[in-house]
This record gives sequence, C-alpha cells and structure tokens, in this order.
Amino acid sequence: SQKIEQNSEALNIQEGKTATLTCNYTNYSPAYLQWYRQDPGRGPVFLLLIRENEKEKRKERLKVTFDTTLKQSLFHITASQPADSATYLCALSNSNSGYALNFGKGTSLLVTP
Amino acid sequence: GAVVSQHPSWVICKSGTSVKIECRSLDFQATTMFWYRQFPKQSLMLMATSNEGSKATYEQGVEKDKFLINHASLTLSTLTVTSAHPEDSSFYICSARDGREFPSEQYFGPGTRLTVT
Repeated sequence: SQKIEQNSEALNIQEGKTATLTCNYTNYSPAYLQWYRQDPGRGPVFLLLIRENEKEKRKERLKVTFDTTLKQSLFHITASQPADSATYLCALSNSNSGYALNFGKGTSLLVTP
Repeated sequence: GAVVSQHPSWVICKSGTSVKIECRSLDFQATTMFWYRQFPKQSLMLMATSNEGSKATYEQGVEKDKFLINHASLTLSTLTVTSAHPEDSSFYICSARDGREFPSEQYFGPGTRLTVT
C-alpha cells in the first residue's frame, strides 16, 4: 500500500538556521508533490508544488527538491524565523486519484529565538 | 490566493442527530471539491471527492450513507454527517480546485471541529 513518511519527531532549530524536512514515499508514482503548512486548529495552507520532472523549486526562503529515484523530497526553510513554527505536510497526487492529495503525518517545526 | 470558507467553524451536537457542513469557494469556480477528516496528531485522510453535478466518490471504508456529500454548484459543496456518534468527532476540512487549470493548486478551508456528545 502507499506510504508517505515524514520526520516522525519534531524538529527544533534556532532562529536564522536552515530547517530541512524530509518526505519519503513508497508504492506511489506521484505526478505532483506539494508542501503545506498547517497551524493548530486550521486548514493547510499551500506553499509549493513540484512536478515529477522537476528537480528543484524555490519561493522566497523556501526550497523544495524532488528525487523520484530516491522517492524523496526535501523541504528547506532558510533564515528560519519563530513565525515559521508550524506543522509542515507533504502531499502527493496523481491522475489516478483525480489529483486528490495523499498526505504524510506532518513534521512539527519549532524555531526558537 | 483563492479563498475557501467553511461553515460552521465548530459545532457540538448530540449523538443520533445530523450535522451539515458547508464549503464554499469564494473567488473561483471549484470543479472538484475534496473532503478530509483529521484526528488529533494524525494526517488528513481523504473521505471523498466530489465533482460539480456528479455523485461523490468515496474512499474505501467511508460510509456514503452516513457522510452525504452534495456538490450542486461550482462554489458550494456540503457534507452532512447523519446519525452522528461520538467516534465521528473530528476536524473536517474541505478543499477545492479548479480542474480546468492544469496543474491546479488545492485550496483548503479553515476546517470544522465537530464534537458529538
């Protein structure tokens, strides 16, 4: 069965450092991989989308890499700030599921001053 | 970015009653809407996919007679939890996309917290 795994433990980093979150998947051929941010009691907020034929995508302080051979995506937040503290969700989709998103459990990031 | 609203944001109901949750796309036409459920510390789990004007497609293990989904217009989908039980207490989140764009992002609503007593 499909499996999407993210860093199981919370990630604590110091303000200004780069946070790197991992998303690994098995038994899946995603056409797209997306990263979302979710704050407690709120719906997810879209951050970045990367296609299967793309290696890297950037948006301001965010960078996503996508390695379909390793079946892995890395999500980087550079110059992290306390406001970046949230849970970050990795989600995969393809046409087989009508582009419905399959989510990982998320990684909780805490950025301390 | 596009905005998706949900109503109500939270609801408490008695066991055996029904609850309706609305999901609206405010500034775009949502050809497809998705309903997810999230239990504490868990991932979002897809419950069903609905295309405007069509019957919803339910994921395995989700009872279609218990979770009624209607997507009658390009801006509104509703989820009705019928004969709710305490185990239905969860955070229900909808998302919407404009399937005419490719690829298209999914925009999520703020979620509805359902508590069944």
